[in-house]
Amino acid sequence: AQKITQTQPGMFVQEKEAVTLDCTYDTSDPSYGLFWYKQPSSGEMIFLIYQGSYDQQNATEGRYSLNFQKARKSANLVISASQLGDSAMYFCAMTLYNFNKFYFGSGTKLNVKP
Amino acid sequence: GAVVSQHPSRVICKSGTSVKIECRSLDFQATTMFWYRQFPKKSLMLMATSNEGSKATYEQGVEKDKFLINHASLTLSTLTVTSAHPEDSSFYICSAPGGAVTEAFFGQGTRLTVV
Repeated sequence: AQKITQTQPGMFVQEKEAVTLDCTYDTSDPSYGLFWYKQPSSGEMIFLIYQGSYDQQNATEGRYSLNFQKARKSANLVISASQLGDSAMYFCAMTLYNFNKFYFGSGTKLNVKP
Repeated sequence: GAVVSQHPSRVICKSGTSVKIECRSLDFQATTMFWYRQFPKKSLMLMATSNEGSKATYEQGVEKDKFLINHASLTLSTLTVTSAHPEDSSFYICSAPGGAVTEAFFGQGTRLTVV
């Protein structure tokens, strides 16, 4: 069975500082994908970043980077230079290749302080 | 990019009534749609996978007779909450896979309140 764990229910960060959101996962399947989504209060799911299990390099997308440590089964999201608009729920998720259905973590509520 | 339109965005219904939620893929064909449920301040839980032209696959613990899923065409999947009760109040969201492994298109979600 697949499992995603996010141990930080809530986080605060000062505007313009960097923040790391933790995510660990568990699967016995060697082929998987790891995602981070942002969910503002409106409820929409906004794709941030993706890391494939066979990718050698950590994924980056603008201010977002994914710290992928395969041996430790962790996929932490790093947001650099936080902005007020980054305040939202953040979900780590996993898919098995060719399935495209997500297993989500419990989420982290990020609050960016001015 | 591809869009999945979910309707209604909010619905309030009385206990005992049924509510239908629609998910349409607007510019692509979706042979598969996934339905998720999200309790307040909680994670999204996969409820079922709908497949065009065949029966939906439900996750363990999800009542098939309570949550009826129909995937009548390549662009429309519906979730009907039958005989709704207050504990069915939740946020329901659908998603459809794209062509690439990184692609998933989410609907806007439906906030259901049963009174």
